[in-house]
Amino acid sequence: EAGVTQFPSHSVIEKGQTVTLRCDPISGHDNLYWYRRVMGKEIKFLLHFVKESKQDESGMPNNRFLAERTGGTYSTLKVQPAELEDSGVYFCASSYQTYSEEFFGPGTRLTVL
Amino acid sequence: DQQVKQNSPSLSVQEGRISILNCDYTNSMFDYFLWYKKYPAEGPTFLISISSIKDKNEDGRFTVFLNKSAKHLSLHIVPSQPGDSAVYFCAASAESGGGADGLTFGKGTHLIIQP
Repeated sequence: EAGVTQFPSHSVIEKGQTVTLRCDPISGHDNLYWYRRVMGKEIKFLLHFVKESKQDESGMPNNRFLAERTGGTYSTLKVQPAELEDSGVYFCASSYQTYSEEFFGPGTRLTVL
Repeated sequence: DQQVKQNSPSLSVQEGRISILNCDYTNSMFDYFLWYKKYPAEGPTFLISISSIKDKNEDGRFTVFLNKSAKHLSLHIVPSQPGDSAVYFCAASAESGGGADGLTFGKGTHLIIQP
């Protein structure tokens, strides 16, 4: 069984540029979650999709972040324009049922210079 | 192939007793391990970590044990309290390899503390 995949694994961009992160959940998982690890060990919730609908986006930091999940399959998280404080590791997870067993992807490390 | 495995999807423990959550890993490059506690709609909350140079780390009611030869670690919670009911994730990284931010997660174990 293929796990959750994320692309790219690393991204280095300059402040003001745009970056799009992609997450492919496990096939058949309607629930998709985005998280961010900014510094240290804490990981913060960003948002939750159920199929193509945003169930909960209370963790999105500001309107520079836009998440989409067209067709209820893969999801993208766009940061435009990127700021220095957006640097961190962005994790995606998916689950079959809402907040049931979550499978985490490997993360995308974003560095904004 | 899962590099971090938590083979028990759920665990039920009586309040006041010890909870033991287990985690196995396959990648010998992992040298730093973390346990997270997670509630729905929140990010995982860091609990405790251990470096591969140690075999035990204790913080209050939480103790993590690492057995490098067996590639196994466990989280002990004693005494267990109702507020401990949550999903617990084991995570690993290869810190010395420069992957200080990258983590590989297990699938989680749902701990249920019964009164």
